[in-house]
Amino acid sequence: DTAVSQTPKYLVTQMGNDKSIKCEQNLGHDTMYWYKQDSKKFLKIMFSYNNKELIINETVPNRFSPKSPDKAHLNLHINSLELGDSAVYFCASSQLQLAGVSYEQYFGPGTRLTVT
Amino acid sequence: AQSVTQLGSHVSVSEGALVLLRCNYSSSVPPYLFWYVQYPNQGLQLLLKYTSAATLVKGINGFEAEFKKSETSFHLTKPSAHMRDAAEYFCAVSAYTGTASKLTFGTGTRLQVTL
Repeated sequence: DTAVSQTPKYLVTQMGNDKSIKCEQNLGHDTMYWYKQDSKKFLKIMFSYNNKELIINETVPNRFSPKSPDKAHLNLHINSLELGDSAVYFCASSQLQLAGVSYEQYFGPGTRLTVT
Repeated sequence: AQSVTQLGSHVSVSEGALVLLRCNYSSSVPPYLFWYVQYPNQGLQLLLKYTSAATLVKGINGFEAEFKKSETSFHLTKPSAHMRDAAEYFCAVSAYTGTASKLTFGTGTRLQVTL
């Protein structure tokens, strides 16, 4: 009965490689997000999708490309990985965010990416 | 623009003592405020949220928070700490900016509970 799931949980790879992280939610939500948590635990939003449409793109390098095949899935592909990409990446989902209303977000367990 | 400041990156309390984690926010529009908890190697779990209804909000695990507009604060409290409360706590503010609602987190407060 997992609400927001991510795969893989751990990802160790070398610089220059390309990798993907997958996210799925079974909550029936319309909005999904990717966050990056750095080594100091600081959380920052990267992307947000409403019904497969990109609505937030927070000045993330072009090497990061989110893809939403349907509203229950949001994947993150990273090209040419760099040392600075090492972090924990969290997927989240919420009800459709409307003008004047903000709903709580439900987070996945995270994917710890280590670039060597 | 919106931001959150959490005072104290690390708070230590004895088991049974009062827990007080401080959060001040800045928002150009009426804010929605949240507290999340992160246990080691886990994702974030919602503790409670403020959505402009009651200013005193009760959450899970005995936590509550009070919204004070005059002080732009949303401090988290729990009357009696338990060992299982040891975790990282994040305050967050969300505001609709015309295109989307964006959740902005504070830098987190690590709560340590000692015997």
